[in-house]
Amino acid sequence: GAGVSQTPSNKVTEKGKYVELRCDPISGHTALYWYRQSLGQGPEFLIYFQGTGAADDSGLPNDRFFAVRPEGSVSTLKIQRTERGDSAVYLCASSNGPQETQYFGPGTRLLVL
Amino acid sequence: GESVGLHLPTLSVQEGDNSIINCAYSNSASDYFIWYKQESGKGPQFIIDIRSNMDKRQGQRVTVLLNKTVKHLSLQIAATQPGDSAVYFCAENGHGNNRLAFGKGNQVVVIP
Repeated sequence: GAGVSQTPSNKVTEKGKYVELRCDPISGHTALYWYRQSLGQGPEFLIYFQGTGAADDSGLPNDRFFAVRPEGSVSTLKIQRTERGDSAVYLCASSNGPQETQYFGPGTRLLVL
Repeated sequence: GESVGLHLPTLSVQEGDNSIINCAYSNSASDYFIWYKQESGKGPQFIIDIRSNMDKRQGQRVTVLLNKTVKHLSLQIAATQPGDSAVYFCAENGHGNNRLAFGKGNQVVVIP
């Protein structure tokens, strides 16, 4: 079956611009997660959705970052006033419920110039 | 050893030999552990997991060992193949907590 998909695969933007990153989880998975991975590091947690609600957003670095999952399926990670330090790979994962195996998408590579 | 920036600990292994990758975890309350494989330009791929009520679990060519006393996790890969070349991450999930905390990656290079 289809895995987690993310679009775009690559995004180049200028400092100060707004970006949206999309995640399509595995069909039927109720839990969805966003992580951020810098070069040479492991993924770092950003936010977790159970259904439509953000159950844990404690990993979001500041109020420029926001994520939504309005219908409990697709999620969008939104970054306002991008900074060069936001450059990273943004990974999405989904699982068949909390504390179940998380399956990752291919990531979106964001480069802020 | 410790990894700094881009310099990941690297294990070079001859094709056909067994590989062992080690991971120390930090949270004694963690009760679920996962190994992921990540190839260049791709997302992490699930390999095998283990819960804290077990100390060993086997999959196809892979075995995970958990030592809760010393908070240590290892991944054993039998008969390593060129396709096993990748960065391997361990991750832990605390009880009641749905976020994964990833350890430092280990680069495995398989020599044909």
